[in-house]
Amino acid sequence: DADVTQTPRNRITKTGKRIMLECSQTKGHDRMYWYRQDPGLGLRLIYYSFDVKDINKGEISDGYSVSRQAQAKFSLSLESAIPNQTALYFCATSDLDRDYGYTFGSGTRLTVV
Amino acid sequence: GQNIDQPTEMTATEGAIVQINCTYQTSGFNGLFWYQQHAGEAPTFLSYNVLDGLEEKGRFSSFLSRSKGYSYLLLKELQMKDSASYLCARPGDYGQNFVFGPGTRLSVLP
Repeated sequence: DADVTQTPRNRITKTGKRIMLECSQTKGHDRMYWYRQDPGLGLRLIYYSFDVKDINKGEISDGYSVSRQAQAKFSLSLESAIPNQTALYFCATSDLDRDYGYTFGSGTRLTVV
Repeated sequence: GQNIDQPTEMTATEGAIVQINCTYQTSGFNGLFWYQQHAGEAPTFLSYNVLDGLEEKGRFSSFLSRSKGYSYLLLKELQMKDSASYLCARPGDYGQNFVFGPGTRLSVLP
């Protein structure tokens, strides 16, 4: 099983719909992140959480919300999806020791039509 | 990606050596990461330079000059499976997060 699991892998949704992307991890890491990736723009941070009671906005949080249900689970919601939220979304985790970088999930490809 | 620059695309031949450069604005942070990302897949960790100089790891080496805001990833004895995007990333502004460059898409030709 993967260390960081994202569901769904692919999703097509309509403008205005609410959608939730889920992430769960077996790494035992406290720190979890949501990024989106767009061609030519790289990975951009949406939200991050350092423990269950800690939620922080990243670079591009408008239009998104998150919930840290447990140490192992961190979900991302689009309250009212719009077409420019079409992107590849990655969940990542990290340990306190930054030297090992992130462990990424396999990604969710979201298309908003 | 927040003042991190990489070439958009590079092409090289199987068996050759290629150097992928990354430049960034220095702002007191230490260290630079390199990730490999195959199309449609998650990035995977390649290397982390915290000190200036060259770190060698098999066919891959990474170099860092913190004073110049410059790093490169050197790939030797290129294989077809090395065709991927290569992302450099620096520590970010929120603590324990990373800021990624736009990535360099490398195509290895036979």
